[in-house]
Amino acid sequence: QVQLQESGPGLVKPSQTLSLTCTVSGGSISSGDYYWSWIRQPAGKGLEWIGRIYTSGSTNYNPSLKSRVTISMDTSKNQFSLRLSSVTAADTAVYYCARKFDHWGRGTLVTVSS
Amino acid sequence: EIVLTQSPDTLSLSPGERATLSCRASQSVSSFYLAWYQQIPGQAPRLLIYGASNRATGIPDRFSGSASGTDFTLTISRLEPEDFAVYYCQQYDNSPTFGQGTKVEIK
Repeated sequence: QVQLQESGPGLVKPSQTLSLTCTVSGGSISSGDYYWSWIRQPAGKGLEWIGRIYTSGSTNYNPSLKSRVTISMDTSKNQFSLRLSSVTAADTAVYYCARKFDHWGRGTLVTVSS
Repeated sequence: EIVLTQSPDTLSLSPGERATLSCRASQSVSSFYLAWYQQIPGQAPRLLIYGASNRATGIPDRFSGSASGTDFTLTISRLEPEDFAVYYCQQYDNSPTFGQGTKVEIK
């Protein structure tokens, strides 16, 4: 059974870069017909897809965030990562990683504040 | 961007009743790429239905999904206490988007 776990700083200053890592266990991120996504959810609000990376390494991003987002993978560590630059308070949210939307991590809260 | 509009925003029902949740897409969506999720407060979303009508692994058969053009429906045949939650539809083709959610609350 594949499991995902998000990790990273819980507090980021405005204008800085948010960096999160998703560690995958129970399966390889570089094999199979899968993609690996990041999704976020501000407190009390709905879900927003951020982007995804395929096992091939190709990516696609939410057009509204594309200029600030980079998703990458480290197959040696079985991890994939999110970088979101120039953050503001509007980027405060619980961030989830997921495999093809059928397996999700528990989420990690990131607050943007000085 | 494909906008998904869910209705109603809130559904107040009693255990044992039938719940019908709707999701309308702003443009054509392949049924192959339409999913439904359940989210209990403090937890990650859980995949219920994929491909508009296929139950995910371990999902009880009281949950069912259907499609008609740009309209999609999630039906819970008889509500159990653990079904009171927020439900989201999602299209996951080129640029995935989610509906705003429907809260199913205890009447």
